[in-house]
Amino acid sequence: DTGVSQDPRHKITKRGQNVTFRCDPISEHNRLYWYRQTLGQGPEFLTYFQNEAQLEKSRLLSDRFSAERPKGSFSTLEIQHTEQGDSAMYLCASSLITSGNEQFFGPGTRLTVL
Amino acid sequence: ILNVEQSPQSLHVQEGDSTNFTCSFPSSNFYALHWYRWETAKSPEALFVMTLNGDEKKKGRISATLNTKEGYSYLYIKGSQPEDSATYLCAVPPHDKLIFGTGTRLQVFP
Repeated sequence: DTGVSQDPRHKITKRGQNVTFRCDPISEHNRLYWYRQTLGQGPEFLTYFQNEAQLEKSRLLSDRFSAERPKGSFSTLEIQHTEQGDSAMYLCASSLITSGNEQFFGPGTRLTVL
Repeated sequence: ILNVEQSPQSLHVQEGDSTNFTCSFPSSNFYALHWYRWETAKSPEALFVMTLNGDEKKKGRISATLNTKEGYSYLYIKGSQPEDSATYLCAVPPHDKLIFGTGTRLQVFP
């Protein structure tokens, strides 16, 4: 399968715990995006990378959130000291710089914070 | 703040019915409009990328039109089937990210 993959697909955690999600983009794609979707809303942009450089972060991305893409391939999104409000679907997408921003999405990681 | 709106929020139709929904976006500084279909437990799937005013695109029974001057796009599904049940999202790309509407959740009953 050459699409975008995300791991895990589901994560249940207790408030205050740290969680980390992984995204593997389509292999030749140089841009990687993270979005968050909550009930009744469309996906909201969190951050994106071009190769290993993090080029933009949304105001939604509080200090408890950190994202990395160390070798310009896979990316991780870590949430420290999770809160119930962090419960959401976290989507990853990738694209080619030359593709006119056509983004290909993974299936998402569903986070539930108890 | 860029605002993308979709209507209706949800739609229930019978198999065989045709349906359509709307995406509204700011008409100034338009670059492109993306339509995605998102089935439960799957990845959002790109349907169309539309860039030109008056554009019409078609993929099987699904088609879309674009009016950049008035800031709207319509998505049509002809002869809806149960497998069309999904959330349909539109998005515009200011700079390098996508700003999504809240989606239209379509349920097609057999």
